[in-house]
Amino acid sequence: DVKVTQSSRYLVKRTGEKVFLECVQDMDHENMFWYRQDPGLGLRLIYFSYDVKMKEKGDIPEGYSVSREKKERFSLILESASTNQTSMYLCASSFQRGVPNTEAFFGQGTRLTVV
Amino acid sequence: QKEVEQDPGPLSVPEGAIVSLNCTYSNSAFQYFMWYRQYSRKGPELLMYTYSSGNKEDGRFTAQVDKSSKYISLFIRDSQPSDSATYLCAMSADNYGQNFVFGPGTRLSVLP
Repeated sequence: DVKVTQSSRYLVKRTGEKVFLECVQDMDHENMFWYRQDPGLGLRLIYFSYDVKMKEKGDIPEGYSVSREKKERFSLILESASTNQTSMYLCASSFQRGVPNTEAFFGQGTRLTVV
Repeated sequence: QKEVEQDPGPLSVPEGAIVSLNCTYSNSAFQYFMWYRQYSRKGPELLMYTYSSGNKEDGRFTAQVDKSSKYISLFIRDSQPSDSATYLCAMSADNYGQNFVFGPGTRLSVLP
């Protein structure tokens, strides 16, 4: 079974703090993603990585950065947390070379509240 | 027009009913289709994955893709209260799992 594990289920941080969200996948997937999910807005892509040290901006990258130093790990960084970044954050991974499936697998989500 | 449209619901059905969840899309290049189930405060869980047109069955769940109409469906037979969740459709055109487009999700409640 594919496992995508996010480091925290719930986080409460103060405005202005630097926040790190960690994600690890165990399926040797090439691609990793960070989404945020808000009521009425659906899933929105923040950043995407298709290889170690490679990243591409998604639809809403402002206020976020990412790091992928190892294939299995993808970190989302909120440089200076703000209340409008209160949301559910979802990590996903996809695509193992040599396997003809391309679907995305998600972690359990991190509910971040910025106060 | 949004790339993927999905009735947001909420949809309420009695236990044992057959449920039909649907998505329409505009991009004819989509060839990979997924359905996810998301319980409250949890991450989406992959339910069904299909490539191109046709049907796929897994237990009480059937996924149907009609590329000519740009329409996909998920059928749930003998629905159970444990099926109460939000169902998201997702689609992709590329062969490397890099670009996914998600529907907004349909909230389903199955009443005992």
